[in-house]
Amino acid sequence: DTGVSQDPRHKITKRGQNVTFRCDPISEHNRLYWYRQTLGQGPEFLTYFQNEAQLEKSRLLSDRFSAERPKGSFSTLEIQRTEQGDSAMYLCASSFDRVTEAFFGQGTRLTVV
Amino acid sequence: DQQVKQNSPSLSVQEGRISILNCDYTNSMFDYFLWYKKYPAEGPTFLISISSIKDKNEDGRFTVFLNKSAKHLSLHIVPSQPGDSAVYFCAASVGGSQGNLIFGKGTKLSVKP
Repeated sequence: DTGVSQDPRHKITKRGQNVTFRCDPISEHNRLYWYRQTLGQGPEFLTYFQNEAQLEKSRLLSDRFSAERPKGSFSTLEIQRTEQGDSAMYLCASSFDRVTEAFFGQGTRLTVV
Repeated sequence: DQQVKQNSPSLSVQEGRISILNCDYTNSMFDYFLWYKKYPAEGPTFLISISSIKDKNEDGRFTVFLNKSAKHLSLHIVPSQPGDSAVYFCAASVGGSQGNLIFGKGTKLSVKP
């Protein structure tokens, strides 16, 4: 399978715990994006990388959120001290240069209890 | 404020008939528009796109129309099939090389046999 892969698919955590998600993009893609989707909303942009450089961050990405793409391949998104409002689907996408040609992964569903 | 609006949360259509999904936008800087289809528990899948220099793009049963003066686009599905039942998201971009797609809230299409 050469699509965008996200792990885990589902995560249930207690409020205050830290969680980390992983995204493996399509191998030749240099760009990787993180979006968040809450119930009844469309996906909202969080951040994106070109190779290992994080080029843009949304104001939605609070200080508790951090994303890395250390070798320009896979990426991780960490949420520290989770809150119930963090419950959402976290989507990763990748593309070669143009965001308008991005492919999305299946997402990680986070539930904070 | 929402820059991309899908004012119909849901749409029900009979199999074989036409489905018309609408999308309005407010940012005149948007120059590329996309439609994504999303099944439950999966990531969005790209369906069709249109550049602002065009007013129509067709791909099989799917046609997107763009009316720049009205800041409105629509997706036509003809003929509609039960497998088309999904949530459809309209998205827009300012320059395809930017990192940010702005999504609407989506319209849930139900195609009844």
